[in-house]
Amino acid sequence: DTAVSQTPKYLVTQMGNDKSIKCEQNLGHDTMYWYKQDSKKFLKIMFSYNNKELIINETVPNRFSPKSPDKAHLNLHINSLELGDSAVYFCASSPGATYGYTFGSGTRLTVV
Amino acid sequence: SQKIEQNSEALNIQEGKTATLTCNYTNYSPAYLQWYRQDPGRGPVFLLLIRENEKEKRKERLKVTFDTTLKQSLFHITASQPADSATYLCALALYGQNFVFGPGTRLSVLP
Repeated sequence: DTAVSQTPKYLVTQMGNDKSIKCEQNLGHDTMYWYKQDSKKFLKIMFSYNNKELIINETVPNRFSPKSPDKAHLNLHINSLELGDSAVYFCASSPGATYGYTFGSGTRLTVV
Repeated sequence: SQKIEQNSEALNIQEGKTATLTCNYTNYSPAYLQWYRQDPGRGPVFLLLIRENEKEKRKERLKVTFDTTLKQSLFHITASQPADSATYLCALALYGQNFVFGPGTRLSVLP
């Protein structure tokens, strides 16, 4: 059983397209996150949701919009994709602030 | 400005030796600190958490220290094995906020 699953694993798309990445966790965690890992391997927080409510929204272009239909799902929708959006996007979850994160295996987005 | 640094981008050591990785930070006041392991093409995996009032934490062959005066955490792997080869990330947990990750150190344990 995969604890945090992301789909798709790979996404190649043209500039200007709109795409979505889905994330589901079966751990019963209250908090879910989206992180971006760029070519230099830095992991940067994008969004954080606690029980379907947005609690962190870092400086991310408003082309990126998270959607949490329920506590177990946090999807990421990206409009008008740009070359600079190419990166690996990780979904993660945690039961609370003092616990480690469980990460998904990542979605490698390539914009051409 | 706020910064997290990990000692080197890459570290090579011989099998059986102790690997020591360093995480230094400036202009942060973390509530606690975590270490993660990341293998190529995979997400980070949580290893250890240490709180600001703890000096040391151990788990099997792993040991973490946390010195808030030096603003530094050391991560040790004793009796290292080739299977320990991976990138290791430190992450600072800030009060009321999420984690801030360091750039990682790629460890290679040579047989």
